Amino acid sequence: GAGVSQSPSNKVTEKGKDVELRCDPISGHTALYWYRQSLGQGLEFLIYFQGNSAPDKSGLPSDRFSAERTGGSVSTLTIQRTQQEDSAVYLCASSLDWTGGADTQYFGPGTRLTVL
Amino acid sequence: AQSVTQLGSHVSVSEGALVLLRCNYSSSVPPYLFWYVQYPNQGLQLLLKYTSAATLVKGINGFEAEFKKSETSFHLTKPSAHMSDAAEYFCAVSDLTGRRALTFGSGTRLQVQP
Repeated sequence: GAGVSQSPSNKVTEKGKDVELRCDPISGHTALYWYRQSLGQGLEFLIYFQGNSAPDKSGLPSDRFSAERTGGSVSTLTIQRTQQEDSAVYLCASSLDWTGGADTQYFGPGTRLTVL
Repeated sequence: AQSVTQLGSHVSVSEGALVLLRCNYSSSVPPYLFWYVQYPNQGLQLLLKYTSAATLVKGINGFEAEFKKSETSFHLTKPSAHMSDAAEYFCAVSDLTGRRALTFGSGTRLQVQP
């Protein structure tokens, strides 16, 4: 079956511009996560969606970052007024979330964001 | 807060040699523990996970890990390295309640020499 897909695979933007990154989770997965992978900070949690519950935004680094999940499926991560330190690979993951923290998270290939 | 520490950012072994990648966790209660592998320009793939069912966990590609509560460790091993094992490996922890997100270690890059 299809895995987690992300688009675009690469995004180059100029400092100060807004960007949108898209994630299509595995069909039927109720939980969706965004992570950021950068050289200086490693893999960091950004935000978590579960069903219709309010998202856990505790990992978002600033108010320039936001995310939404429409219809319990596709998610979009938006970064406003991008800065050079936003350059990173943004990874999306999804899971069934049946057994709490023991569920396997399945990762997409990521979007590599470069801010010039 | 939970955390994991991976000792050794780079590990180099010869093909056919034992692979040992170290991971120690910090948690007041035994958490759920995971090992993921990342090949160049790809996402993360689950190798194995510990969810308290058994302390010795077998995963894909011949890898296994043993949960040792007394040492707060979850080291990853493979008896015989293949060239295709060259990748970056991440240990991660998830707590039993609350936020479901994974907390990752800093990663270990495995090189396999012919």
